[in-house]
Amino acid sequence: KAGVTQTPRYLIKTRGQQVTLSCSPISGHRSVSWYQQTPGQGLQFLFEYFSETQRNKGNFPGRFSGRQFSNSRSEMNVSTLELGDSALYLCASSFQGAPYEQYFGPGTRLTVT
Amino acid sequence: QQPVQSPQAVILREGEDAVINCSSSKALYSVHWYRQKHGEAPVFLMILLKGGEQKGHEKISASFNEKKQQSSLYLTASQLSYSGTYFCGTDLNYGGSQGNLIFGKGTKLSVKP
Repeated sequence: KAGVTQTPRYLIKTRGQQVTLSCSPISGHRSVSWYQQTPGQGLQFLFEYFSETQRNKGNFPGRFSGRQFSNSRSEMNVSTLELGDSALYLCASSFQGAPYEQYFGPGTRLTVT
Repeated sequence: QQPVQSPQAVILREGEDAVINCSSSKALYSVHWYRQKHGEAPVFLMILLKGGEQKGHEKISASFNEKKQQSSLYLTASQLSYSGTYFCGTDLNYGGSQGNLIFGKGTKLSVKP
């Protein structure tokens, strides 16, 4: 089975711009979770989608949003980028979400200048 | 709500053993363990479920004390390949799959020759 894929792998954006990141889960997985990873804060949960519905949302501002399509692919969007949004954004796919195991993609490294 | 991991870092010689602990202030439904090597995505190691069920790699062992809301990961006869940062992820939701994990800040394990 192919693993989780994320595109693009690297992005450099300027403050104030917006960005869209994409995640394709493992075939058959209906849950996609998004995490932000930074050296200071570690892995922080952004949101989780299951069958096109957002089931959970972490403690992030409304500038962070996401969606899931009928084929389970997911996108996350960050509007009005801030310097502090520079991070590795990881998506993880799971058969149905916790308590099933999650499989992470390689991540998108976002740098905001 | 974020679980607390201890120790924050540990250095081992090949062949030595280590224990990594994960403690939560909330009642847990499941605990997930992941290992992340530098520059790579976190890799699933093990899930421990309320009630005693475990799923994961045969060479990894862990425990889950539901009453104390704690889990421990046991690394025995360590190898160089065990080096990385270990994360525990806790699932507070009951009644099945509700999606998200809250991760600890990680334990950095370095195995020296």
